[in-house]
Amino acid sequence: DAKTTQPPSMDCAEGRAANLPCNHSTISGNEYVYWYRQIHSQGPQYIIHGLKNNETNEMASLIITEDRKSSTLILPHATLRDTAVYYCIVRVALYNQGGKLIFGQGTELSVKP
Amino acid sequence: GAVVSQHPSWVICKSGTSVKIECRSLDFQATTMFWYRQFPKQSLMLMATSNEGSKATYEQGVEKDKFLINHASLTLSTLTVTSAHPEDSSFYICSARVDGGVSGELFFGEGSRLTVL
Repeated sequence: DAKTTQPPSMDCAEGRAANLPCNHSTISGNEYVYWYRQIHSQGPQYIIHGLKNNETNEMASLIITEDRKSSTLILPHATLRDTAVYYCIVRVALYNQGGKLIFGQGTELSVKP
Repeated sequence: GAVVSQHPSWVICKSGTSVKIECRSLDFQATTMFWYRQFPKQSLMLMATSNEGSKATYEQGVEKDKFLINHASLTLSTLTVTSAHPEDSSFYICSARVDGGVSGELFFGEGSRLTVL
């Protein structure tokens, strides 16, 4: 699976958009970009995933560059409850190859009032 | 989304005893579940893949005789920490993949915090 690079920490003002970057320059053509987050002392929560096209759901938007070497997770209106560690994971579709997820260090997002 | 439940949420035990942690998929079947361990200020580390009706597959460096995994049904996997010692104190998290699911995500339990005295 391709390796990802994320900033260790970021701050965001409450109500503003939080833009979390992820570099995955060695991504292969059949690898997806998955985003999860982990609020302190809880299990990880799925946010969104995508292959090539930008994706949006009720939680966030995922913007993938045309060359697929990087992506950005956007929380449009961050709240204090969005404070968490955000993990960007690149791998083949979860229903292939056993489906296991390998977590990196992630980005610790702090949303401040 | 689908719900994965872990029990107990936290447990304190004496050194040398064994502790069992349960992971249940409440509203879906999961042939495959995964167990992770997380130390403070660190990321999740995959310990093993649990497969219903067969032996678990352990990641490199994880002692299979110390961390016993049983996946006896399509909705239940258990992790038993045998002869626990203080260094086994950690946050244990399970996840499950929906059988037949096409959305691609895994669902995680809330975690079980083990403290070994």
